[in-house]
Amino acid sequence: KAGVTQTPRYLIKTRGQQVTLSCSPISGHRSVSWYQQTPGQGLQFLFEYFSETQRNKGNFPGRFSGRQFSNSRSEMNVSTLELGDSALYLCASSLRPGGTGAQSYTFGSGTRLTVV
Amino acid sequence: AQKITQTQPGMFVQEKEAVTLDCTYDTSDQSYGLFWYKQPSSGEMIFLIYQGSYDEQNATEGRYSLNFQKARKSANLVISASQLGDSAMYFCAMREGSKAAGNKLTFGGGTRVLVKP
Repeated sequence: KAGVTQTPRYLIKTRGQQVTLSCSPISGHRSVSWYQQTPGQGLQFLFEYFSETQRNKGNFPGRFSGRQFSNSRSEMNVSTLELGDSALYLCASSLRPGGTGAQSYTFGSGTRLTVV
Repeated sequence: AQKITQTQPGMFVQEKEAVTLDCTYDTSDQSYGLFWYKQPSSGEMIFLIYQGSYDEQNATEGRYSLNFQKARKSANLVISASQLGDSAMYFCAMREGSKAAGNKLTFGGGTRVLVKP
């Protein structure tokens, strides 16, 4: 079955612009989480969506937002880009949120955003 | 707050030898899950192994095993018979078991492994 698809794979934007990244989860998966990975801060949780509702949010400014559609595809948006937003953005899909158990998350290959 | 510590930023290992990657964690929750992921240069995070806080047996998945010491709050990954394709970044991660935590994973800083032929 198809994995998690993130588009675009690479993106170059200018400071002050906005950007939208897309994540299509595995078929049947209804939970999508987003992470930012930078050399300085490592992997940090951005937010999680389930059934079109944001369930959890990390410690990021309001310039970072997201949404989920009825087909479980998710987008994240970053407005007024800063140089520090340059990062690998990863999304992970899973069947449902919460609970213990070996419910592994399937990650996409990420979108590498460079802000110049 | 949750915290994951990986004290080895990088290490070399000889092909066919075993390697242990350290991970310690801090949480006040009784219920939690511990994960190990591999990240090759392509960027994708590949799930390796999972250990639940109530699991009494150490998890094993092929060449990967998790040395879980709950009292010491450590969850070390052991890779047996290293292969050249094991060269990558390795991340330890934790998810709290509460519903409020959802699917949020907290990651350690990672360990870069380079397998030498």
